[in-house]
Amino acid sequence: DTGVSQDPRHKITKRGQNVTFRCDPISEHNRLYWYRQTLGQGPEFLTYFQNEAQLEKSRLLSDRFSAERPKGSFSTLEIQRTEQGDSAMYLCASSRDGGNQPQHFGDGTRLSIL
Amino acid sequence: GENVEQHPSTLSVQEGDSAVIKCTYSDSASNYFPWYKQELGKRPQLIIDIRSNVGEKKDQRIAVTLNKTAKHFSLHITETQPEDSAVYFCAASSPAAGNKLTFGGGTRVLVKP
Repeated sequence: DTGVSQDPRHKITKRGQNVTFRCDPISEHNRLYWYRQTLGQGPEFLTYFQNEAQLEKSRLLSDRFSAERPKGSFSTLEIQRTEQGDSAMYLCASSRDGGNQPQHFGDGTRLSIL
Repeated sequence: GENVEQHPSTLSVQEGDSAVIKCTYSDSASNYFPWYKQELGKRPQLIIDIRSNVGEKKDQRIAVTLNKTAKHFSLHITETQPEDSAVYFCAASSPAAGNKLTFGGGTRVLVKP
């Protein structure tokens, strides 16, 4: 069990650029969640997958955001035309399928928009 | 949707004393309540969780209590140590909502030696 890994750890980009983050969940975990955390706040849910199916998207996830999990393993989160307000820590978590399964988080990708 | 409130936002205790953090939730369908510890620049780390069919759970110096009727749950840390200093988050989830976690605002705990 190598844990949830995220890449890159840090991303600095200019406003208007596109960025893509990757998450590799724990290998036997069917569920994968994306959260966003701003300084001093708790993580906020963005979207989640069960295997390759994206089952829910938060209202926080504008049309500029898209997430995929094409083979039910790793996932990518893309932000197009980044804005200042997108600056945050993007966290990925994974869990086994079924109710009340613990979610384990990765170290996150910190996005800074110049 | 679910709403989770957490108090206090900051907590300073002397080493060896106990710390208590309280959370309330709004959705009666929520049935899973984890607690995460987050040190500066690090990932949220699951430290203990409780399910709605249990009123209390203990793991060494950490315990969590749940009152489903009142919709509140609490984290208790006994014999605090400097390494307990961190931000603690409570969360709630329900299977009907895909088990997504709704987090409280966090409590910054400082344990003074």
